[in-house]
Amino acid sequence: DAGVIQSPRHEVTEMGQEVTLRCKPISGHNSLFWYRQTMMRGLELLIYFNNNVPIDDSGMPEDRFSAKMPNASFSTLKIQPSEPRDSAVYFCASSSDRVQFFGPGTRLTVL
Amino acid sequence: DAKTTQPNSMESNEEEPVHLPCNHSTISGTDYIHWYRQLPSQGPEYVIHGLTSNVNNRMASLAIAEDRKSSTLILHRATLRDAAVYYCILRKVDSNYQLIWGAGTKLIIKP
Repeated sequence: DAGVIQSPRHEVTEMGQEVTLRCKPISGHNSLFWYRQTMMRGLELLIYFNNNVPIDDSGMPEDRFSAKMPNASFSTLKIQPSEPRDSAVYFCASSSDRVQFFGPGTRLTVL
Repeated sequence: DAKTTQPNSMESNEEEPVHLPCNHSTISGTDYIHWYRQLPSQGPEYVIHGLTSNVNNRMASLAIAEDRKSSTLILHRATLRDAAVYYCILRKVDSNYQLIWGAGTKLIIKP
């Protein structure tokens, strides 16, 4: 099993640009999570999908952030427009029961 | 939500056992105790979880106090590859996504 796949692994962009992060969950998992990790705030849950449906998006910082899950094998997290304070490592995780499996993360730097 | 308290950091010698403590004095009867770890530059990784009884798996053992107000993650023979941040997390039994992440314990292994 390849595990959770995220792309890109690193992204450097300029303030105001659109950023799209991608995630392929583990096959057969019905839950998908997007997290953000910074030194100041630690690991924060942004949004949780179950069976491709967003269940809890209360962690999404503001309207500049949006997430989609068009099918069971793909999800995106979009930031438009990006700001320097969005710089962080973004993790995608998937689960079929009580254990979450994390991807390697995308390190985002907004200049 | 119930919170966990962990030491910021701990040091141990290679090939010796490590006991990582966690206090959760406000735990409720429906909270599971989960442990994850995060190796440098990687996503978090599941280690073990339990409810009331002690648990063992190939990675570690989890010892839960009788009153459930504290628990200890035991690495029986630490290696340099076990150097990571270890997170003690409470999860409600009826939730498969509400993991409240704290700051964790940074485990340093000395050769």
